[in-house]
Amino acid sequence: QKEVEQNSGPLSVPEGAIASLNCTYSDRGSQSFFWYRQYSGKSPELIMSIYSNGDKEDGRFTAQLNKASQYVSLLIRDSQPSDSATYLCAVRDTGFQKLVFGTGTRLLVSP
Amino acid sequence: GAGVSQSPSNKVTEKGKDVELRCDPISGHTALYWYRQSLGQGLEFLIYFQGNSAPDKSGLPSDRFSAERTGGSVSTLTIQRTQQEDSAVYLCASSYHAGTSYEQYFGPGTRLTVT
Repeated sequence: QKEVEQNSGPLSVPEGAIASLNCTYSDRGSQSFFWYRQYSGKSPELIMSIYSNGDKEDGRFTAQLNKASQYVSLLIRDSQPSDSATYLCAVRDTGFQKLVFGTGTRLLVSP
Repeated sequence: GAGVSQSPSNKVTEKGKDVELRCDPISGHTALYWYRQSLGQGLEFLIYFQGNSAPDKSGLPSDRFSAERTGGSVSTLTIQRTQQEDSAVYLCASSYHAGTSYEQYFGPGTRLTVT
């Protein structure tokens, strides 16, 4: 059973701080990794994809991938209250096309 | 451009009835996926369509669930003889496979309540 693990949180950070969200996965052959943001009552929204080891930056978001450690993270700089949501880590199943999701980390950014 | 659309947005049905959920993917996207998200649970894969290939049905939880995709575009997920445990949000996603890009974009979902 291929698994994606996330701390459920909540992760509480003050406005303006850096939020660090972490994810580990079990399938060593995985090549594609995604972060989704899901507001309460809404569907997941893709915010980052990463395919190679290292960092990928997009605005206030940075995704980090370490395939040797089977670890992917998302950093949110200058956190805003509007960033308060559940962040889902997803890994594309090797040999298949489906995404395997973690259960998500709830982020709370306080003003 | 237009995103993935799903209908209905909400569906309340009685136990034992059949329901149909519709998904219209992003124009030009060749792959279409169905997932479901139960209250407090993670997203669970149901089925995947890619072009004219046979669908990957490995995630369907029982033979009461079926799906089809007509003309390589719109998809319908059918649940027969609904049960209370089928209550969930059913999410459709689509993607355009190019090179190593497999980004999936989700529709707004259909919230199904079985009474």
